[in-house]
Parts: sequence; structure tokens; C-alpha cells
Amino acid sequence: SQQGEEDPQALSIQEGENATMNCSYKTSINNLQWYRQNSGRGLVHLILIRSNEREKHSGRLRVTLDTSKKSSSLLITASRAADTASYFCATDGSGDKLTFGTGTRLAVRP
Amino acid sequence: SQTIHQWPATLVQPVGSPLSLECTVEGTSNPNLYWYRQAAGRGLQLLFYSVGIGQISSEVPQNLSASRPQDRQFILSSKKLLLSDSGFYLCAFQTGAGGSPLHFGNGTRLTVT
Repeated sequence: SQQGEEDPQALSIQEGENATMNCSYKTSINNLQWYRQNSGRGLVHLILIRSNEREKHSGRLRVTLDTSKKSSSLLITASRAADTASYFCATDGSGDKLTFGTGTRLAVRP
Repeated sequence: SQTIHQWPATLVQPVGSPLSLECTVEGTSNPNLYWYRQAAGRGLQLLFYSVGIGQISSEVPQNLSASRPQDRQFILSSKKLLLSDSGFYLCAFQTGAGGSPLHFGNGTRLTVT
């Protein structure tokens, strides 16, 4: 079964707005990662947050982690049309192997 | 720099035909290697992973097999393709400790007809 589940499944926003995606998982983790996938391409690693961290920033990305609720969120601020992609969370709850969620499809309208 | 190459980019194969997808990594040694499959609009399903030459772990019983004949080469195979094998296949490598970020290839779109 999927370790991570993202919601919403799809999100459509206007350029300049913020986009928030959530991820829930089931088992204990050492870290949680977020990836981005452009249509028909491989995934690209965005950011990793460790289980002892609560928040992390990278450019316009902000990730939070709440281990008590087994959830994480990815915030993209001041979105651009180029941010249009699918976003996945991945957790290492199954040992060394990463398990991916089903993803959130983000569409940013220019 | 570390790079990953995956080919072919697209493939159309008839049911019952064999399959061989290849993935190679450059710029690092002894990486962990992974094969994932992604159904249309869905998440990634882990198929195989390898921590070393000849060491393959299978996650899901199926019509596919994997081999790692060299340190930086990972091959996904099938003797006879099924319609249900259609999908987007992604190879990835990982260096460092378990749970480290994965680096993905650009994928192979396989259509079984």
C-alpha cells in the first residue's frame, strides 16, 4: 500500500498565488522528501526534511513536517506557470526504500 | 558529475514479445539502483531495487525481472509482455545512506499492443 498520500489530487491556481499540497503517511520515518515531475519526464528531488525537523525552506519552497500527525505540507509561494507539474512526497518508512504517494497535479494559470 | 541514462524513451511492443530496458549511471560507484513503474496519472510503484552487483530485491510478484550485471548498469526484462505491463518505467539511483534522495532517469514509455 502507498506509504504517502497527497491531497488534493489536483490543484489549479492563478500565477502569483501560493500553492499548498499535503502528504500523509502511515509509519514512522527518518525523513520525508518532496519531488516534482513534469509531464512525461522523470522525477526531480526538491527538498528533504528529517524527522527531527519541523520546517525547511528552499527558495520559494517551504516544507513542514508534523510527525505526531504523520503529515507534511509543501508550500510554493508566488507560483509561476513553470511550476505546473505533479508533486510527490516520498517516505523511507520501509527501510532504505522510498515509497511514493500518488501525487498532486498542480496547474498554474498565467 | 553524476548522471543517469535510460533508454529507449518510448517503446511499442506486441503482447508476448520480450522486453529489455537499460539504465546506466555515471559519476558514482556502488549506487543503489531502482526500477519504478508509473501508471497513467498515478503514483510510483517500486518494482525492483539493488544494493550491489547481482543483488536484486523484488517488491511485487509479476511478469518482470531485473538484473545488475555491472555496478552501474540495471536492466529490466520480460520474456513475454502482457497488456498490463504497459506504463511509464523509471530508473533511479541513490548514493549515500538509505533514505537519501533519488536521481531519476527520463523514463521509458512502454505500450504493449
